[in-house]
Amino acid sequence: GIQVEQSPPDLILQEGANSTLRCNFSDSVNNLQWFHQNPWGQLINLFYIPSGTKQNGRLSATTVATERYSLLYISSSQTTDSGVYFCAVETRGTYKYIFGTGTRLKVLA
Amino acid sequence: GAGVSQSPSNKVTEKGKDVELRCDPISGHTALYWYRQRLGQGLEFLIYFQGNSAPDKSGLPSDRFSAERTGESVSTLTIQRTQQEDSAVYLCASRTQGTEAFFGQGTRLTVV
Repeated sequence: GIQVEQSPPDLILQEGANSTLRCNFSDSVNNLQWFHQNPWGQLINLFYIPSGTKQNGRLSATTVATERYSLLYISSSQTTDSGVYFCAVETRGTYKYIFGTGTRLKVLA
Repeated sequence: GAGVSQSPSNKVTEKGKDVELRCDPISGHTALYWYRQRLGQGLEFLIYFQGNSAPDKSGLPSDRFSAERTGESVSTLTIQRTQQEDSAVYLCASRTQGTEAFFGQGTRLTVV
């Protein structure tokens, strides 16, 4: 089956710093989503981004489907950005949503 | 409803008992997913329903796990003869094909 790898696995930032999170997938996909799982376990939708670039405030994402990766950019990080960031891909033919391994982010005040 | 609703939010059960977890998807969403998340781990796909098609059960870890969905509405995930390794948060998501998926708050299952 498809493999979805995220890097880095862990990241510690000082408040105000910028970061880039990466999601690599091993096969063609129909679409891709980024989620933030907050410390209370809730999964929050960030981007639905099968291709191209989107921006929402301090966050932006780019998916290059032909090269099988997506990037999530966080600028001017805040302590409330802490949590785990997951990408999820919808596999072609099966339509399952498969989650990546996650990046655990901690932002220090 | 306004969002995906799961119940109960917490469930403590004795080893060997059966449990039923419920998911109410967003109205009109044809696709529904179940995932398991063990403590500190990622989301593990369990099962996927799409409209009236046969469900994709490829992620169910054993025959103790089963799920049903009535049309395009409520789904129940049943775990029979629960074991301690079943302790986890069970998450449900729904979507319309070609759009983003939305998750419920999850059911935290503890098997003692």
